[in-house]
Amino acid sequence: EVQLVESGGGLVKPGGSLRLSCVASGITVSSAWLSWVRQAPGKGLEWVGHIKSKTDDGATDYAAPVKGRFSISRDDSKNTVYLQMSSLTSEDTAFYYCSTTSGSFDSWGQGTLVSVSS
Amino acid sequence: DIQMTQSPSTLSASVGDRVTITCRASQSVNRWLAWYQQKPGKAPKLLIYMASSLEIGVPSRFSGSGSGTDFTLTINSLQPDDFATYYCQQYNSYARTFGQGTKVEIK
Repeated sequence: EVQLVESGGGLVKPGGSLRLSCVASGITVSSAWLSWVRQAPGKGLEWVGHIKSKTDDGATDYAAPVKGRFSISRDDSKNTVYLQMSSLTSEDTAFYYCSTTSGSFDSWGQGTLVSVSS
Repeated sequence: DIQMTQSPSTLSASVGDRVTITCRASQSVNRWLAWYQQKPGKAPKLLIYMASSLEIGVPSRFSGSGSGTDFTLTINSLQPDDFATYYCQQYNSYARTFGQGTKVEIK
């Protein structure tokens, strides 16, 4: 059974940075596509980006609102995927979910809340 | 980016009803379409992928259909556990996009 556990959320000031972690079990992150999806409180779902498996060159793609500010990486030794976020604004306030993806988002973590406020 | 539009935004129904939610894409997504269920305070759950393939463990009262730009999610004989918000999502484009959601409420 795939389990994903996100951590690292919290309160951060506008313009600040934060790194989220997603620890996986039941899968090997280097062999999977992993995505980040966010949801502002009371709002809908928004894809943030993904990192491809090693066999698919390990490249990353990002949604337009976060491109150039967010970065997804992977530590195979820790079976963990990261979301590095910088230049945060109030628009980035959301629950952030990690998910395995085969196109659809198959397994999800429980999410971690990021609040951007002064 | 491909825009996904769901209708209705809110739906009131009773236990035992047949419910249909529609999802329209701004351009063809072939059959690269998924449906999710989300309950308050929980992560979304994949119900259907490839427009009509039921995810393992999902009750057979859920079904999906469509291709190209028009898709439907049908729930036959709505159960108390089905009151939730439903989202469609396309993965024809690398930039994945979701519909705005349909909340199924108790009538």
